[in-house]
Parts: sequence; structure tokens; C-alpha cells
Amino acid sequence: DAGVIQSPRHEVTEMGQEVTLRCKPISGHDYLFWYRQTMMRGLELLIYFNNNVPIDDSGMPEDRFSAKMPNASFSTLKIQPSEPRDSAVYFCASSRTSGAHEQFFGPGTRLTVL
Amino acid sequence: QKEVEQDPGPLSVPEGAIVSLNCTYSNSAFQYFMWYRQYSRKGPELLMYTYSSGNKEDGRFTAQVDKSSKYISLFIRDSQPSDSATYLCAMSTIISNFGNEKLTFGTGTRLTIIP
Repeated sequence: DAGVIQSPRHEVTEMGQEVTLRCKPISGHDYLFWYRQTMMRGLELLIYFNNNVPIDDSGMPEDRFSAKMPNASFSTLKIQPSEPRDSAVYFCASSRTSGAHEQFFGPGTRLTVL
Repeated sequence: QKEVEQDPGPLSVPEGAIVSLNCTYSNSAFQYFMWYRQYSRKGPELLMYTYSSGNKEDGRFTAQVDKSSKYISLFIRDSQPSDSATYLCAMSTIISNFGNEKLTFGTGTRLTIIP
């Protein structure tokens, strides 16, 4: 199995631009999670889906952030407009069950907003 | 106050030493306790998880949970240079009637094992 796939691995953009991060979960996994990691705040859950339906989006920082999962094998996290404080590493994780201890993480997308 | 507190380090120890990594927490609702290892520019990978107070051993790694003190530890015996990484503690609560869990992470401790 290829594991969780994220693209792009690195993204550099200018403030105000739209950013789209992509994730392909492990086949057969019904849960998909988006996290953000910064030095100051550590790893934070932004949103997670179960069978393509958003379950908990309480971690989404503000309306500039949106996430979709149009099918079981693809999800996007969009930031519009982007700001320098959005610079972070964004991770996608997936799991077969709701058990938090069964999540597998992707390699992450390192986002820099200038 | 953060729900999960973890000393960010950095922590440097010589090869072969015993490493002790610790986290404290404030939320009594946490049910599962986990340790993740994260190599530079990689995603976190699960090392161990426990549910109850006490010790759980897996090879050179031992996870310890003390719910009465709200304190968890990870011990690494016979540490190797390949153990150099950031170690994240994590804890989960049940957030829905369907049993869905939500993870809360510590900020991580950066560990370097010196050959």
C-alpha cells in the first residue's frame, strides 16, 4: 500500500492567493483527518470526515479555510485568501475506524505564505 | 493552560542511555494515550498506545500512564542514533455518540542520540 498521499509537498505563495492542498487516503479507510503543525501550537486537528461527511470542523481556524471530500479517495483543504500566519505543515491522516490510535499520517505539505 | 503540556527540549543523550519523555494533561476525559515519533520532514508515526494506568512494553519502548497524577511517560532503553526524532504525546476523548475520538497532541520533544 502506498500510504496516505499528499500533494504538493511544498507550496510557496503570496499573501492573498488561494491555496489548495490535496490528500489521497489509504484505500479502505473511512476516516480522513486534516491537521496543521506549527512550532508554537504543535499539531492541531482542523477537521475530519467519516465516509466523506464532515463530522467535526471545530478546529478550522476561520472562514478562509474550507475542506471537501467529494469521494472516498480524495480530499482537499483550501485557504482563500491565504495569510502569512497560515504558514505551517499541513498533514492528512486516515484510519479504518474512529479509533484515534489507528491513524496513519501522510508526509505533509509545507506551506509558506509570503 | 493547554490541555496537554510537553517539554519541547531539545534533549540530547549519549547512545545506550535510557531516555525519559513526559507529558502532563488536565482533561480527565482523556481515555487513550499515545506516543508518536516524527522524523524530520515526515509525518508522525504511532509508536505505542495505552488505555489504562500502568506500564506497557514494546521492545525497547515502555509507555507509562498515571491517571491519578495526569502524567504519562515514554521510556526508551538502549537508545540508538536512529531514535533521534521528535516525540509527540497524544490523548483522545470520545466526542460523539458513535464513539468518534478526537486527538489532542503535545507540542513534541526533540530528541538527539549522540553516537
